[in-house]
Amino acid sequence: QVQLEQSGPEVKKPGASMKVSCKVSGYTLTDFSMHWVRQAPGKGLEWMGSFDPEDAEPVYAQKFQGKFTMTEDTSADTAYMELSSLSVDDTAVYYCARGNGFLGHYLDNWGQGTLVIVSS
Amino acid sequence: QSALTQPASVSGSPGQSITISCTGTRSDVGTYHYVSWYQQHPGKAPKLIIFEVSKRPSGVSNRFSGSKSGNTASLTISGLQAADEADYFCSSYTGRNTLFVFGTGTKVTVL
Repeated sequence: QVQLEQSGPEVKKPGASMKVSCKVSGYTLTDFSMHWVRQAPGKGLEWMGSFDPEDAEPVYAQKFQGKFTMTEDTSADTAYMELSSLSVDDTAVYYCARGNGFLGHYLDNWGQGTLVIVSS
Repeated sequence: QSALTQPASVSGSPGQSITISCTGTRSDVGTYHYVSWYQQHPGKAPKLIIFEVSKRPSGVSNRFSGSKSGNTASLTISGLQAADEADYFCSSYTGRNTLFVFGTGTKVTVL
């Protein structure tokens, strides 16, 4: 059974950085791409980026380039996302999701989400 | 990359059919057969219900169907049920450099 288990909620100050983990089970992390998606309160889904193990190259949405970093610890089947220089606009639920199909173009399994609140 | 355009809300009575549109451009929906749809209930993670325009993952009801014409994809829910009340998001592959874009989202209300 495929599962993606994310780390718990966080409260951060503006200007700080945050790191969210996503531990997978039921499959091997390197066999599929991993995407990160966020959802601000009451808003829609926003794709942030993905890491394709075949290319070994991350792809970031233009909006997040320079601010968002994806890494993986393959020995622990855990993916991480780090967001720097936080502002109140980064308050959102952050999801990891497994990409499937050609270049991981559809997201077939999702983590439960991690709420990050940025507040002074 | 701009978000795909969806109607903000669609409603229907139990048993009826509704259709949600998802309009993109030639750079995404119009070129690639990689359109997906996700259902999201309040406070829950999104769930994949359609991929590659019209395919259903195992376990998803056949009341959900997808199609595409030109730059617009559509999700049809037939035999509307109370459990279908949720937000629905489309997405499309956009090419190797940008990869992915979501729709603006549609709230489905069962009257």
